Amino acid sequence: GAVVSQHPSRVICKSGTSVKIECRSLDFQATTMFWYRQFPKQSLMLMATSNEGSKATYEQGVEKDKFLINHASLTLSTLTVTSAHPEDSSFYICSARFVRRGTEAFFGQGTRLTVV
Amino acid sequence: AQSVSQHNHHVILSEAASLELGCNYSYGGTVNLFWYVQYPGQHLQLLLKYFSGDPLVKGIKGFEAEFIKSKFSFNLRKPSVQWSDTAEYFCAVIPLNQKVTFGTGTKLQVIP
Repeated sequence: GAVVSQHPSRVICKSGTSVKIECRSLDFQATTMFWYRQFPKQSLMLMATSNEGSKATYEQGVEKDKFLINHASLTLSTLTVTSAHPEDSSFYICSARFVRRGTEAFFGQGTRLTVV
Repeated sequence: AQSVSQHNHHVILSEAASLELGCNYSYGGTVNLFWYVQYPGQHLQLLLKYFSGDPLVKGIKGFEAEFIKSKFSFNLRKPSVQWSDTAEYFCAVIPLNQKVTFGTGTKLQVIP
């Protein structure tokens, strides 16, 4: 299947700092990328959907000024957690979809963010 | 709003035991259904998918799932599990042209 690379896999940061997570589609052009977060013992929750070259669409309850998403090219999307707080500690996963594969989504390996 | 329920949060089986993980969804229209697996420290990977046709879908590593439309279910099965099947399994539902909704996941632990 197609490959999506997410970096970093783990990051620890101090409260108040910003963290950027990258998501790259390595062998296809991703028309749409999705960002999810997973709290312990809960399901993957969609945070936002981004289409290349346009603003991301955020789910209800997700602060767009706190979770900045940039989808500048068909192979790269970034999620920046700004002014991180301990409650932002979570597991973040990106996925990418491209038209020829219909609704199938390909996932990055996830990023474990710990804010101390 | 659509939802996906996975009834078992943590399953422990001995090797060679049979596996069935439940997945039910609430959505009345046409859906595409998926099972993903996440091995420890690795990506989410697609295990199998159902778009249309034969409701019994075969995936990788001996897994299969059956779509029962009347029950809104898409249960995952494997006749004989192996230690290497220890992982977390997620059911996902995508209504046509809409967003994916995941279940809460089921952690499977297979004891040698």
